[in-house]
Amino acid sequence: AQSVTQLDSQVPVFEEAPVELRCNYSSSVSVYLFWYVQYPNQGLQLLLKYLSGSTLVESINGFEAEFNKSQTSFHLRKPSVHISDTAEYFCAVSSSGSARQLTFGSGTQLTVLP
Amino acid sequence: DTGVSQNPRHKITKRGQNVTFRCDPISEHNRLYWYRQTLGQGPEFLTYFQNEAQLEKSRLLSDRFSAERPKGSFSTLEIQRTEQGDSAMYLCASKIEGSETQYFGPGTRLLVL
Repeated sequence: AQSVTQLDSQVPVFEEAPVELRCNYSSSVSVYLFWYVQYPNQGLQLLLKYLSGSTLVESINGFEAEFNKSQTSFHLRKPSVHISDTAEYFCAVSSSGSARQLTFGSGTQLTVLP
Repeated sequence: DTGVSQNPRHKITKRGQNVTFRCDPISEHNRLYWYRQTLGQGPEFLTYFQNEAQLEKSRLLSDRFSAERPKGSFSTLEIQRTEQGDSAMYLCASKIEGSETQYFGPGTRLLVL
């Protein structure tokens, strides 16, 4: 069985400050890892993913995440946030079975303050 | 690519009524997933289809929940005899088998009074 833990339910940060959203996963097999973002009353949008290869993955809007197998972590970072980054962020792991369903963490609400 | 669409976007119903939600996946995607998201939580997997075959349904929350994908294109999720605890956002996602990326629809928000 797989599980995902997002250690912070809410992260307030001032505009242009750096931010890190933490994610740890539990799995006995190799996994694929994802970060999704959800804006109010909308579905989830893929932010970035780790499938294999380089452990540092980047999104087009300045976010990055690093897969750390020894610490079973996939923390999301951005060096300078904008007001428009205010949203809920979900870390997810893909199952190793044929279903490939996603198991999500409980989410982190990022609020960027002016 | 018009994305995954879901209808209705919002549904308010009285306890005991039946509701049905529709999901239209991205056209070439043969896998379709249903998730439920309650307030303050991440989405929770319910069931999935590969083409028209429902390959996993043990995660459906009770026998009041059922899903279909009769022609391997759109899918419906039905909840019979709704209860207040069914109030949630119901999300649909689709992907191509072999790809790891699921694309989500905007969801249907259900409120059971």
